[in-house]
Amino acid sequence: SQQGEEDPQALSIQEGENATMNCSYKTSINNLQWYRQNSGRGLVHLILIRSNEREKHSGRLRVTLDTSKKSSSLLITASRAADTASYFCATDSWGKLQFGAGTQVVVTP
Amino acid sequence: DAGVIQSPRHEVTEMGQEVTLRCKPISGHNSLFWYRQTMMRGLELLIYFNNNVPIDDSGMPEDRFSAKMPNASFSTLKIQPSEPRDSAVYFCASSLNSGATYNEQFFGPGTRLTVL
Repeated sequence: SQQGEEDPQALSIQEGENATMNCSYKTSINNLQWYRQNSGRGLVHLILIRSNEREKHSGRLRVTLDTSKKSSSLLITASRAADTASYFCATDSWGKLQFGAGTQVVVTP
Repeated sequence: DAGVIQSPRHEVTEMGQEVTLRCKPISGHNSLFWYRQTMMRGLELLIYFNNNVPIDDSGMPEDRFSAKMPNASFSTLKIQPSEPRDSAVYFCASSLNSGATYNEQFFGPGTRLTVL
C-alpha cells in the first residue's frame, strides 16, 4: 500500500518556471525523502528531510515538511528541460520506505 | 564507487521457470532493500535486510518469492515458479543506517522481468 500521495499527478511547465508538487501521508515518520526517476531508469535520491526539520534546500530544490499536517512539498526553481521526470515522495518509518504514486513533470523548452 | 549493481538488466522467461535476480550493494552500506515497480501498484517494498539479516519481509507477495543475503556484498531475489503477473521492474537499494538514524537509499538500475 502507498503511504504518500503526490499532488498533482502530472505537471507541464515551460523552462524557467517553478514546479511545485505536494505529498501527503498518514502515519508518523522518521524522515521524508524525494526521489526522481527518468523514464526507464532507476530512482535518484534528491533530498531527505528529517521529522524535526521544517525546510531544506539543495541547489534549485526546496523541500518543506509540516508534520502536524502530515504533508511535504518539493519546489524546483528555474526548471530546465532536463528536469523532465517523475518525482516521488517516500516516507521512512524505521528504515522502511513507502512511496507515493509520483508526479510526472514535463518541462518544455 | 560503482553504485548499486544489479544483474541481469533484462530477463525474459516462461511461466513456471525459476528466476534469480542479483544485487551488489554499495560497499560499506549495512541495509539492503528489494522493491518491485509496476504501473498498477507503483513501487512496493518487498523485503529489507539489516546487517545481512532479514528484518521485514511482509511485502513479499507469496511463498514463490524468497530472498537471501549470504554476505554484506551480495543478495539474491528468487521467484520459483514464476508467473506472468510477476512481470515488473525489480530494484535493489542500499543505505547506511545507524541506530535510529535512517538515511537516503541508493537504487540500482533495476532488472526488467518479463514472464511469458
